[in-house]
Amino acid sequence: EVQLVESGGGLVKPGSSLKLSCVASGFTFSSYGMHWIRQAPKKGLEWIALIYYDSSNKYYADSVKGRFTISRDNSKNTLYLEMNSLRSEDTAMYYCAKSSFAYWGQGTLVTVSS
Amino acid sequence: DIQMTQSPSVLSASVGDRVTLNCKASQNINKYLNWYQQKLGEAPKLLIYNTNNLQTGIPSRFSGSGSGTDYTLTISSLQPEDVATYFCFQHNSWPTFGAGTKLELK
Repeated sequence: EVQLVESGGGLVKPGSSLKLSCVASGFTFSSYGMHWIRQAPKKGLEWIALIYYDSSNKYYADSVKGRFTISRDNSKNTLYLEMNSLRSEDTAMYYCAKSSFAYWGQGTLVTVSS
Repeated sequence: DIQMTQSPSVLSASVGDRVTLNCKASQNINKYLNWYQQKLGEAPKLLIYNTNNLQTGIPSRFSGSGSGTDYTLTISSLQPEDVATYFCFQHNSWPTFGAGTKLELK
């Protein structure tokens, strides 16, 4: 069974940094691209980043480009999202998803507030 | 970016009703359209992928259709557990989601 478990969210001040993790199980993690998607409170969903299976390519939404970095450690079956220069508008539930978007984690909440 | 417009934004229906949710893309998305169900406090769950393919474990009362820019999710007989928000999602190019249709019981 595919499982994705996010962690690392929390309450942080504007301008600070945070690193999210997503631990995968139930499939060959090193063979699949992975995504981060977020959902602001009572708002819609926004895709924010993709990393290829071998980290050879990474893509970002314009809203996070230059501030967020997606990475992965295939030896640990773990996906990361490093978030810098956080803004109030980054407040959201952050989900990781497997390449085809069929499987999502339960999410980790990031709140950016002074 | 491809814009996805869902209608209606809120839909009230009765148990047993046939329900149709709509999703319109700002350009042709070549049937790369998924539908997700999201219940309060939960992650989105995939119902339909690539327009009309039922995800494993999803009841057969859910079906999808469409082509080009216009897509539809149909629930043939609404059940109480179907109360949720439904999102369409295109992955023909940079992924984008619709704003959702909130489905309520009348």
